[in-house]
Amino acid sequence: ETGVTQSPTHLIKTRGQQVTLRCSSQSGHNTVSWYQQALGQGPQFIFQYYREEENGRGNFPPRFSGLQFPNYSSELNVNALELDDSALYLCASSSQGGVNTEAFFGQGTRLTVV
Amino acid sequence: GDSVTQMEGPVTLSEEAFLTINCTYTATGYPSLFWYVQYPGEGLQLLLKATKADDKGSNKGFEATYRKETTSFHLEKGSVQVSDSAVYFCALSALRGADKLIFGTGTRLQVFP
Repeated sequence: ETGVTQSPTHLIKTRGQQVTLRCSSQSGHNTVSWYQQALGQGPQFIFQYYREEENGRGNFPPRFSGLQFPNYSSELNVNALELDDSALYLCASSSQGGVNTEAFFGQGTRLTVV
Repeated sequence: GDSVTQMEGPVTLSEEAFLTINCTYTATGYPSLFWYVQYPGEGLQLLLKATKADDKGSNKGFEATYRKETTSFHLEKGSVQVSDSAVYFCALSALRGADKLIFGTGTRLQVFP
């Protein structure tokens, strides 16, 4: 049990809609990273938030956006959903910096776009 | 850019067999290397890591050695169990810790009694 919780666990959306996914980070962690894992693929880094600011972004379009709140929980928002956005979205929390930084992953939100 | 290449699965083994899952990487600088495991219906769990060349990471009978000369980080276990059945991901980070990870495509391991 990592202490990282994501909600919802599953949801189905229609193409063109907008979706918000939520992540509660582990106690004591100030950094949240989001990953997209398509079926049969490895997770791909979307972006990271550190102390409420975006701290690095992968190769994802601007319709993928995020927020981090003062309690370090985070949201991932995706606008204008496309069929290819169907995937497992993983959140990972960590403490910034150092060789012993470890990322703790939540169980993910499975998004299906129809 | 940086990337990770893993052998394709599934890898199918009998219980107590020897396991090797190959992983090679491309990176500038000196990345940290990781193996994560994903059990059915669960998120990723860190299995082991190595942060510099010649380091050996180990956990639960699994081992991997950071080989800079061959840019490899192969996962091995001497005797697998049915409970090891899962998907294994090799990953790297350009930073010393598990930050902004780049993952391989994963290798499914199936162990039969």
